[in-house]
Amino acid sequence: SQQGEEDPQALSIQEGENATMNCSYKTSINNLQWYRQNSGRGLVHLILIRSNEREKHSGRLRVTLDTSKKSSSLLITASRAADTASYFCATGISSNTGKLIFGQGTTLQVKP
Amino acid sequence: AAGVIQSPRHLIKEKRETATLKCYPIPRHDTVYWYQQGPGQDPQFLISFYEKMQSDKGSIPDRFSAQQFSDYHSELNMSSLELGDSALYFCASSLGFGTQETQYFGPGTRLLVL
Repeated sequence: SQQGEEDPQALSIQEGENATMNCSYKTSINNLQWYRQNSGRGLVHLILIRSNEREKHSGRLRVTLDTSKKSSSLLITASRAADTASYFCATGISSNTGKLIFGQGTTLQVKP
Repeated sequence: AAGVIQSPRHLIKEKRETATLKCYPIPRHDTVYWYQQGPGQDPQFLISFYEKMQSDKGSIPDRFSAQQFSDYHSELNMSSLELGDSALYFCASSLGFGTQETQYFGPGTRLLVL
């Protein structure tokens, strides 16, 4: 990937468990966004965290950002079978350009 | 709520043919981005437009061109198609320019080059 790595590449859990995905990046960023992609389909925006923020919540999602370590994590609590998808982090690196640089993604399988 | 519309959703072409992909952003969004996602790959930025002007360029081949029209829709023109162009092509839109804005993605156009 141009920007960084996601860890783990694949994760399989039981319904009701929590899922944690990590993202590392290489350059300074303005913000970091998390997207979900169901198999071969569109990217659904989940949450955006700005570089001056450390933690953000949205429903069952919790995102943290550590700019000193150039890393972010996405926690999905009380997972459901419908959460099965690939999850990508994407970084916005400059206010002069809107382009996002994506990580390689984590494939999450939630077993019923 | 209205989302980003892309057409066609699926496209099959032969090598060396041309293809045109269309993107209709969310109403009032003035910025459009194009991304390419190869099989099992992460999306790669191609090009973006703000207020009908090219705002940034990524790893877009010279065989590809794009523009944004007065109604803010965008078209990605692809010529001399190669097998390696087979991918999912996403368009995203945002209100305002710059990475502080959330980008909303369309469902993608799946291009298969035979």
